[in-house]
Amino acid sequence: EADIYQTPRYLVIGTGKKITLECSQTMGHDKMYWYQQDPGMELHLIHYSYGVNSTEKGDLSSESTVSRIRTEHFPLTLESARPSHTSQYLCASSELWPGAEAFFGQGTRLTVV
Amino acid sequence: AQRVTQPEKLLSVFKGAPVELKCNYSYSGSPELFWYVQYSRQRLQLLLRHISRESIKGFTADLNKGETSFHLKKPFAQEEDSAMYYCALAVYGGSQGNLIFGKGTKLSVKP
Repeated sequence: EADIYQTPRYLVIGTGKKITLECSQTMGHDKMYWYQQDPGMELHLIHYSYGVNSTEKGDLSSESTVSRIRTEHFPLTLESARPSHTSQYLCASSELWPGAEAFFGQGTRLTVV
Repeated sequence: AQRVTQPEKLLSVFKGAPVELKCNYSYSGSPELFWYVQYSRQRLQLLLRHISRESIKGFTADLNKGETSFHLKKPFAQEEDSAMYYCALAVYGGSQGNLIFGKGTKLSVKP
């Protein structure tokens, strides 16, 4: 079944550790996104990609980085986690045009202690 | 600048009462607007889009270009409508063509 998957669902990690949040989709979509969802539930776009080897920064500045080596895979990496990175991270995918329906993953709730 | 404003963080109504979740936008182009919903422990998902002019789960939303609004309405709220609702605007142009979201409104429907 076509879907979008995020792992892990929950992660508690110590300050200074390197982490990678995984996101994969089997929907055949070219466009993928990462949103950061604040505790107050506000959504901020932090990264997006139009396809393989395409990555762009979103509206909210983030210390994370992303890569898009395969169409279906869009991992997000934090080289050195800090408590300020504690948040929920949502991955999404869609067809290319901005008005296309975005399909979201279940999210990864990250806590940095 | 493109912006989506949802003025209410929390909206609480009783079951059977009408509900209206407000959304205002700022955009120089022709707007495409959406409502997304996130039920407890579920994924964020599309509820409806203005170009479809459809009613989903009893909800409707009309685009009012004069007032730059896209309010979400339901005549009789149900407890299962309790969720987080986000208004979104499709922004075209340049390298930043994307969906931008409002801050969200939490709807609580009391029995």
